[in-house]
Amino acid sequence: DTEVTQTPKHLVMGMTNKKSLKCEQHMGHRAMYWYKQKAKKPPELMFVYSYEKLSINESVPSRFSPECPNSSLLNLHLHALQPEDSALYLCASSPRGRGTGELFFGEGSRLTVL
Amino acid sequence: ELKVEQNPLFLSMQEGKNYTIYCNYSTTSDRLYWYRQDPGKSLESLFVLLSNGAVKQEGRLMASLDTKARLSTLHITAAVHDLSATYFCAVDIPGGTSYGKLTFGQGTILTVHP
Repeated sequence: DTEVTQTPKHLVMGMTNKKSLKCEQHMGHRAMYWYKQKAKKPPELMFVYSYEKLSINESVPSRFSPECPNSSLLNLHLHALQPEDSALYLCASSPRGRGTGELFFGEGSRLTVL
Repeated sequence: ELKVEQNPLFLSMQEGKNYTIYCNYSTTSDRLYWYRQDPGKSLESLFVLLSNGAVKQEGRLMASLDTKARLSTLHITAAVHDLSATYFCAVDIPGGTSYGKLTFGQGTILTVHP
């Protein structure tokens, strides 16, 4: 069982909707990530939070807005998305400091934009 | 720009046979990861390779890292159907200050049949 929990597992939204994806981990990890994965493609990094501060934004469009309210939670706010944004959104976490760099992924939220 | 290339991209194997998946990367790095992904599911960490010459084995899978050649291999011994999945290698982006900023290979879709 994954220790990174993502909700919802499935989300269908229209282009004018506002929705949020949520991610939670209780492993004490201080780095959290959002990755996007299109069908039959590898995951692509979107955002990295380190100690609750945004440290990397991979030039993601502003219709995706990340938020890290505390060390256990990571949100991705979605607004005015396009159909091409339909994908599997994966949250991951890892220890900071003297870690191996290994990422622990959640089950993902499958997003469909109509 | 770091490039990570896997081959083959598609691998159809008979049960009981051996095969190797190769992962080449373009820039110096001593951190390489192998993940498994079942259809519609998240990524499961298989191996973390952190130094030149590292070799790790788990069941029928064995991974190795040659940082001088910028090459990692994932060897499958006596394949069984349960190994059918997509396998990704991933490399830490050199010079990054945050762990987890991974660049993934394209993935190898492995199908094991009787």
